[in-house]
Amino acid sequence: ETGVTQTPRHLVMGMTNKKSLKCEQHLGHNAMYWYKQSAKKPLELMFVYNFKEQTENNSVPSRFSPECPNSSHLFLHLHTLQPEDSALYLCASSSGQVDTEAFFGQGTRLTVV
Amino acid sequence: GESVGLHLPTLSVQEGDNSIINCAYSNSASDYFIWYKQESGKGPQFIIDIRSNMDKRQGQRVTVLLNKTVKHLSLQIAATQPGDSAVYFCAESSNQGGKLIFGQGTELSVKP
Repeated sequence: ETGVTQTPRHLVMGMTNKKSLKCEQHLGHNAMYWYKQSAKKPLELMFVYNFKEQTENNSVPSRFSPECPNSSHLFLHLHTLQPEDSALYLCASSSGQVDTEAFFGQGTRLTVV
Repeated sequence: GESVGLHLPTLSVQEGDNSIINCAYSNSASDYFIWYKQESGKGPQFIIDIRSNMDKRQGQRVTVLLNKTVKHLSLQIAATQPGDSAVYFCAESSNQGGKLIFGQGTELSVKP
């Protein structure tokens, strides 16, 4: 148990569906992140939030829309995705200070059909 | 641009042997590095970290070596066990805490 919980663990959605991924951290951290992990590729940073403010958007398509209502919760809203968006989506949190590790959730395995 | 990569995609070792997993990075300004372990169906888990003012750091059965001259990082696992089978990622931290750039990963298989 890393203190970062993601739901759902698995999600299958059609290209016209709207769904949301949820992440919750119980570590008192101030920074939260979304990463995408595709097969045989490095983890790709998508979004960074510090103290609920988005500080980085790594050129992510607008069909992915993050939301951070407070420092403990992070959402990723999905709309009109493509099959190539199928991947493992990982949430992470950290203290936000320099030179500290990030703690990851178990991920949501997303399949777009 | 910044990138972190691993030399080998797979590594197979005999149980009880030592394992060495390598990583190269390109950003000479990077000052913090982490090794993560990812087991099947799980998120990455922190193993060990090292700051750029150090050359070596030891943990329980693991050692990380940093060679800043050639921008090379390695993870050594002593007496490798079946439970060590996983994908290992090195990651480089930017000047913002927790923002990590990951390498491609090395899949370690331990043969009994």
